[in-house]
Order: sequence, then structure tokens, then C-alpha cells
Amino acid sequence: DIQLTQSPSFLSASVGDRVTITCRASQGISSYLAWYQQKPGKAPKLLIYAASTLQSGVPSRFSGSGSGTEFTLTISSLQPEDFATYYCQQVNSYPWTFGQGTKVEIK
Amino acid sequence: QVQLVQSGAEVKKPGASMNISCKASGFTFTKYYIHWVRQAPGQGLEWMGIINPSGSSTSYAQRFQGRVTMTRDTSTSTVYMQLSSLRSEDTAVYYCARDLGGTSNGGDYWGQGTLVTVSS
Repeated sequence: DIQLTQSPSFLSASVGDRVTITCRASQGISSYLAWYQQKPGKAPKLLIYAASTLQSGVPSRFSGSGSGTEFTLTISSLQPEDFATYYCQQVNSYPWTFGQGTKVEIK
Repeated sequence: QVQLVQSGAEVKKPGASMNISCKASGFTFTKYYIHWVRQAPGQGLEWMGIINPSGSSTSYAQRFQGRVTMTRDTSTSTVYMQLSSLRSEDTAVYYCARDLGGTSNGGDYWGQGTLVTVSS
């Protein structure tokens, strides 16, 4: 199975900060990576697919980049509603594994 | 609008089976793959498997092989996920999700989640 490692696992930031989360794959997955946001008690929400394509309705402050084994999710200016846990998921080959998550909290 | 509505919470005893449903509406059911993902209390997301649009093909994560069965009923636009030989570690919220499809993948619409508690 392809392993995904997110860093950091926990991030404390302020409103307006630029935030970057990294996801590293144990083997190359081309651009077959998705990013999700999850708030407590809610289902995940798709933010980015194909590594860098913004899902319809997602604010443009979210962006994704990378290919192969290293990927990043960037929030250009953190908003109060962005405090949540973020997960990457590889969709290159079954099983479609997730990273362990990155919790973004208010500083 | 696209909706995935899951069945309600369940409490099961160890060794029993669970069967969760996920009823789709607002899109052409027979064109989309459906995933199942679970989340144990306080833990991350775990992908369980996927079923193709016609229901003729499935792929399951190795750790669930032999215990999980995913099916779909096109007449009612409903997907089912059965997990057998339940143990306490199976206590989790279970989600169904529609796959984007095409050359891009990812769950673009999700059900509300079904909490399954396994306890004696």
C-alpha cells in the first residue's frame, strides 16, 4: 500500500497567516492526490483534486501543488472558518490511502 | 441537488454484522463510483473500498478483505456496505462518498455519516 505522511501533524496559526501543509507519498503517484477539510462532527469536504485543481465552490485562498511524491496544500490567508483538520488522499492505486491528518488550530 | 443519505446509528455486539445503506439522489446514480470511508473516534480517515457504477466490480482495502461486502441497487439508487465479524475496533463513523469520476478522483459529495458502536 502507498503510505502518505503529512507534516506537520499539528499547526497553530493566526487569522491572516499563510499556512502550508506537506504530504509525502511512499512512492510516486503522479498527480493523483486529493485534499480534504474536515470539521468536528462533519463529513470531509473536498478542496483540491488532481493535486492542484480547486473543487467548485472552494475559496481561491486554497491552492495545491506538487507531483510524484511531494505535495503541498497552501492557505494564502487563514480565515476563522479554516480552523479544521486537513487530510491528503492518494487516488493513484487501490487502496486509496489517507494521510494521518493535520490539525490547524487558532494561535 | 446531489445528496447521499445514510441509514441511522447502530449498536452491535461483537461477532455480529452491520449493514449500512447510502441512498443517492440528484445525480445519475449509474454513472458514479461510490467509496466507503470510516473514522474511529478521535482518529483519522480510513478508506475501506469502492464499488463501480453498475455494481459489478469492487475493490476493498486488504485489512477488510473477507469481512466487507459492498453492493448497490440501481432500482432504488442505494449502495450498501456490510461488515461482518464485528469487533470493538470497528466502532466508528462510516461514510459513503461519491467519486468525482473521469480522470480525476476524490470524494466530491459525502453522506452524513453513520455511527456504529460495537460493544458487549
